[in-house]
Amino acid sequence: QSALTQPASVSGSPGQSITISCTGTSSDVGSYNLVSWYQQHPGKAPKLMIYEGSKRPSGVSNRFSGSKSGNTASLTISGLQAEDEADYYCCSYAGSSTDVVFGGGTKLTVL
Amino acid sequence: EVQLVESGGGLVQPGGSLRLSCAASGFTFSSYWMHWVRQAPGKGLVWVSRINSDGSSTSYADSVKGRFTISRDNAKNTLYLQMNSLRAEDTAVYYCARIDSSHSFDYWGQGTLVTVSS
Repeated sequence: QSALTQPASVSGSPGQSITISCTGTSSDVGSYNLVSWYQQHPGKAPKLMIYEGSKRPSGVSNRFSGSKSGNTASLTISGLQAEDEADYYCCSYAGSSTDVVFGGGTKLTVL
Repeated sequence: EVQLVESGGGLVQPGGSLRLSCAASGFTFSSYWMHWVRQAPGKGLVWVSRINSDGSSTSYADSVKGRFTISRDNAKNTLYLQMNSLRAEDTAVYYCARIDSSHSFDYWGQGTLVTVSS
C-alpha cells in the first residue's frame, strides 16, 4: 500500500498553467482508468476536482483537466487564479484487496 | 443535499478506544460504499477503511488492521469506526467519505479530530 508519488510543491503566477504529476505502478494507476484528484484548502475537507482520470464533476471549472500516460496521471490547471492556491491530492483505485491509494499531496502556490 | 457529519473524536490515551460516527443524509445511504480517510496534522490524506453497501464486506489499511473495525447501520443512515489499541500515530482528522461507481470520493464530511496522547 505505497502512496502515489507527487511533487511536494509547485508554483505559478496568475494566468499561467501548471501541471501536477502523480506516479504510481502497474498495480494502480497503470491498471485502471480510475484516478481522481482532490483540492483541499486549509482546515477544509477535500473536494473532488477530477474523476476517472479526466472527467470533471458538475460545478468544477474547465480550467482543471486530467490525463494519464502509463503509470503517471497528471492534473493541469490553466489560467491560474489566487483561489487555486491549495493542496492537491491524487488517488487511484488499486484493486479489490487494496481498494484505494492516495498521493502524498502537492502544495500549489500562486505567486 | 448530501451531508456527512462525523462525531466522536476527542482526546484518548495510548491503548484506549474510541468510536467515530458519520451521520449521512440527503441520499440513499444503503446504496453506497463508504470509506474512512484520515489526515495527520500537517500531513497528507491516507485511506483507512472501506465497507460495502450492505456491510458484508470490509477492508483495512495495514496500519489499522486488527485494531479498527468499520461498520454501518443502514436503518440509522450511520457509518462507524471502532478504534481500539490506539497509538500516537493514529492522531489525525478522520473523514468519512462516500465513494461512487467511478471509485472517486464525491462527498466528504467535515472531519473529526482524534488525538492520542497521555
